[in-house]
Amino acid sequence: SQQGEEDPQALSIQEGENATMNCSYKTSINNLQWYRQNSGRGLVHLILIRSNEREKHSGRLRVTLDTSKKSSSLLITASRAADTASYFCATNGRAAGNKLTFGGGTRVLVKP
Amino acid sequence: GAVVSQHPSWVICKSGTSVKIECRSLDFQATTMFWYRQFPKQSLMLMATSNEGSKATYEQGVEKDKFLINHASLTLSTLTVTSAHPEDSSFYICSARDVTSSNQPQHFGDGTRLSIL
Repeated sequence: SQQGEEDPQALSIQEGENATMNCSYKTSINNLQWYRQNSGRGLVHLILIRSNEREKHSGRLRVTLDTSKKSSSLLITASRAADTASYFCATNGRAAGNKLTFGGGTRVLVKP
Repeated sequence: GAVVSQHPSWVICKSGTSVKIECRSLDFQATTMFWYRQFPKQSLMLMATSNEGSKATYEQGVEKDKFLINHASLTLSTLTVTSAHPEDSSFYICSARDVTSSNQPQHFGDGTRLSIL
């Protein structure tokens, strides 16, 4: 079953704007991971944030984690057309036997 | 970075054919590999967890006799879709983890698009 729910399901922005997407989950986690998937391709790992961390950065990406609200956000700053992709959050926790459980994904379109 | 190679990337075959998909970890050893299925514009659905040297663990609702998984070495897992039918058409993706710790990301192959005529 899908533990993570992502919001919004789709996002359309202009190049240069920021894109924010949110992920909520239900059970306790060891970590939460964000992945990107270009159309027809596999998933590329972006950021892993552990349950005892609150924020992580990687280049133009910023991920936050609020375990009290069981939610995470991914911010892409100064978006580029190449950022057009689907973004998935995935949780890893004991309830799922340490397997990844994926959210529904957010489809991001960055218009040049 | 860690690389997972998945082959073939695209298969078209007739109904009733069995199709084998390979997943290889190229620069690390993977005691555990995962097989996912993805329908258009949907998320990944875990089918099974492949453990080197032992039987795969299938998720509820996934037919083990339909989707045969073999993980004979630390760098190779295969998924065989037996007697494939049009409803098996989908995008199949494998992933691998190179350490036993759960606090490491999974590395994904590029997927296999399976089309059954």
